Amino acid sequence: GDSVTQMEGPVTLSEEACLTINCTYTATGYPSLFWYVQYPGEGLQLLLKATKADDKGSNKGFEATYRKETTSFHLEKGSVQVSDSAVYFCALSMGSNYQLIWGAGTKLIIKP
Amino acid sequence: DAGVTQSPTHLIKTRGQHVTLRCSPISGHKSVSWYQQVLGQGPQFIFQYYEKEERGRGNFPDRFSARQFPNYSSELNVNALLLGDSALYLCASSFFLEGEYNEQFFGPGTRLTVL
Repeated sequence: GDSVTQMEGPVTLSEEACLTINCTYTATGYPSLFWYVQYPGEGLQLLLKATKADDKGSNKGFEATYRKETTSFHLEKGSVQVSDSAVYFCALSMGSNYQLIWGAGTKLIIKP
Repeated sequence: DAGVTQSPTHLIKTRGQHVTLRCSPISGHKSVSWYQQVLGQGPQFIFQYYEKEERGRGNFPDRFSARQFPNYSSELNVNALLLGDSALYLCASSFFLEGEYNEQFFGPGTRLTVL
């Protein structure tokens, strides 16, 4: 079945370091891809999305490109801040109103 | 505007008991989905409802059931609780526009502990 695999955490970085969190997927068709973020004590929030191959989603300095050839959707940021500390989830959906299928989450810790 | 609200925030039950969790969607949203998030894992889809009808069901036993009311709020019911049902239960609401991407907005969740 459809699935999402993302790199295990925690990932610990110093402030202003570059970030990459890997995400790969398995799907029978052409899914939409998402990154959600869960800040401490808060609910899940959509960070960015891409709905077709080669689309780039971006928000708050984060970017991810939908790569069909490598079935990947890696999350990147050029310079992280302490406030980026959170758990990041990669997810896919096979349609506009279909269920989300989630990765296990990657905890990101940014040290000042 | 109020976001998705869920009640209760926390709940402690014993094995074999029954539990009802409640969710109120964002005003104007007609679709509600339920997810189970076990500690350290990503959410797992349980149900989706739209206009009071079940539109999707995940791989959960029949002990799990849900319904949606005319005001689009929803209840998730779990019977014969097991220790493994301990988790954060998330509700998400969205529009339901065919052919368009419909972002799901999540509530804070209900933390269920089964002893």
